[in-house]
Amino acid sequence: AQSVTQLGSHVSVSEGALVLLRCNYSSSVPPYLFWYVQYPNQGLQLLLKYTSAATLVKGINGFEAEFKKSETSFHLTKPSAHMSDAAEYFCAVSRSGSARQLTFGSGTQLTVLP
Amino acid sequence: EPEVTQTPSHQVTQMGQEVILRCVPISNHLYFYWYRQILGQKVEFLVSFYNNEISEKSEIFDDQFSVERPDGSNFTLKIRSTKLEDSAMYFCASSGPGLAGETQYFGPGTRLLVL
Repeated sequence: AQSVTQLGSHVSVSEGALVLLRCNYSSSVPPYLFWYVQYPNQGLQLLLKYTSAATLVKGINGFEAEFKKSETSFHLTKPSAHMSDAAEYFCAVSRSGSARQLTFGSGTQLTVLP
Repeated sequence: EPEVTQTPSHQVTQMGQEVILRCVPISNHLYFYWYRQILGQKVEFLVSFYNNEISEKSEIFDDQFSVERPDGSNFTLKIRSTKLEDSAMYFCASSGPGLAGETQYFGPGTRLLVL
């Protein structure tokens, strides 16, 4: 079975500050890992994904994440927060092989303070 | 840019009634999914569908639920006899024909309220 833990259901940062959203996963086989963002009243939009290529993955809107197998982590970072980054962020995992279902973390609500 | 669409955006129904949630996946995608998110909880996988049959389903997806691709464009989720606990946001998603790890593209969701 696979699972995802997101530490911190709410994170607040000042505009221009570093954004760090934490995600740890559990998987018995090499995983695929995803970060999705959800803006109010919208669906889930893919930010970036790890599929066993480079361990540092760059995504949209200046976000990036690093896959660390030894720490079973896939934390999301952005060097400088912008007001438009305020949203809910979800980490998700799927197994390699034929299974495709995504298992999501509980989400982190990011607030950006002026 | 192609996107997944869902109708209706909101649905209110009485307990015990049947509801059908509709989705139009991205046109060249072959895998289709339903997820749900109960208010304040995680997004949960319900079912995946490929080649006109269910390929995976979760424990949540019991006999009250069914999925169908009635034509070349729509993908539907039917709940036969709704319960209060079915109140949630339901997301449809689709992905291409590649290997596992393909990006799943999500629709904006249908908010279902069962009274």
